[in-house]
Amino acid sequence: DTAVSQTPKYLVTQMGNDKSIKCEQNLGHDTMYWYKQDSKKFLKIMFSYNNKELIINETVPNRFSPKSPDKAHLNLHINSLELGDSAVYFCASSQDQGFGYEQYFGPGTRLTVT
Amino acid sequence: QQQVKQSPQSLIVQKGGISIINCAYENTAFDYFPWYQQFPGKGPALLIAIRPDVSEKKEGRFTISFNKSAKQFSLHIMDSQPGDSATYFCAASPVNFGNEKLTFGTGTRLTIIP
Repeated sequence: DTAVSQTPKYLVTQMGNDKSIKCEQNLGHDTMYWYKQDSKKFLKIMFSYNNKELIINETVPNRFSPKSPDKAHLNLHINSLELGDSAVYFCASSQDQGFGYEQYFGPGTRLTVT
Repeated sequence: QQQVKQSPQSLIVQKGGISIINCAYENTAFDYFPWYQQFPGKGPALLIAIRPDVSEKKEGRFTISFNKSAKQFSLHIMDSQPGDSATYFCAASPVNFGNEKLTFGTGTRLTIIP
């Protein structure tokens, strides 16, 4: 049983296109996250959602729009893709916000913008 | 602005040796310091974490040493094994926040040679 799953695993697209990445967790967690890992492996949080409500938006461009239809899903839609968006995007979840709650990461989606 | 500085960028250790990875931070509001392990093609996974009320935490072969006055913390891997070869990230989160405000270090690629 995969705890946190993402689709697709690989995504290759051209500049200017719009794409979505889906994330699902079957852990019953209340909090979900999106992270971006760049080519140098630097990992940076983008969004945090708790009970389907946005709690953190770390100065991400408006072209990125997360959507949480329910507590188990957090999708990421990206408009007008740019070369700099090429990265690995990780979804994660934790039981709740705050200290002591371990984050479980998905396997990542490698996005390549050409 | 890199709030958590991690070194070295890469590390090669012989099997059975001690691997040491160091992190330093500037934000005195940081109150939670986890370490993550990431294997190629996988998402990061929590390895061990510490709060500043203790100077050391040990779990099996993994130990975090914490120096609050120096604003430094380090990961020690005793009896390093080839299976420990991975990228390790330190992270920090400010008081009153948890995962949703995690700031990651730049990562250390650890290679254990037989």
